[in-house]
Amino acid sequence: DVKVTQSSRYLVKRTGEKVFLECVQDMDHENMFWYRQDPGLGLRLIYFSYDVKMKEKGDIPEGYSVSREKKERFSLILESASTNQTSMYLCASSRSGSYNEQFFGPGTRLTVL
Amino acid sequence: KQEVTQIPAALSVPEGENLVLNCSFTDSAIYNLQWFRQDPGKGLTSLLLIQSSQREQTSGRLNASLDKSSGRSTLYIAASQPGDSATYLCAYAGAGSYQLTFGKGTKLSVIP
Repeated sequence: DVKVTQSSRYLVKRTGEKVFLECVQDMDHENMFWYRQDPGLGLRLIYFSYDVKMKEKGDIPEGYSVSREKKERFSLILESASTNQTSMYLCASSRSGSYNEQFFGPGTRLTVL
Repeated sequence: KQEVTQIPAALSVPEGENLVLNCSFTDSAIYNLQWFRQDPGKGLTSLLLIQSSQREQTSGRLNASLDKSSGRSTLYIAASQPGDSATYLCAYAGAGSYQLTFGKGTKLSVIP
């Protein structure tokens, strides 16, 4: 079975802090994704990566950056956390190509005070 | 912007009932559609993936259908159980896109 893990289930940070969210998958998937999920807005794509060191912006990249130095690991970085970035963050992975099944991690509930 | 609509937003049924969850989408060029389950405060669990060339997929008590011409997918759950209580989301991948477009989900409660 595909396993996608995220470094923290719950995280509390202060406004202005730099925040790192880590995601690791163990199925040698080429594609990895970061989403955020908010009540009433659903899931929205922040960034995705289709290969090591490659990244593409999703629908809401502002205020975020990403890093993919190794195939199995995809990091989401909040350069200067703000209260409007309080959300549930979900990581996903899939095999290469556009149309393959995405598998999700357990999520990180981030609160920015 | 393409949209995915899931109606109803919430549904409550007695245990043992068969039920259908609906998903409609505006993009006529979808490549696949995926159904997920999400328990409160948790991540998404993939239930079924239907490729655009397929009409339906089955897994246990779950059956998902896809009608591209009408822009609709349904998830059929047979003999519902309290453990089926969760939010169910559908999402599709559009033409040449890595991105999934999600509906807002249907929250299902199965009453013992």
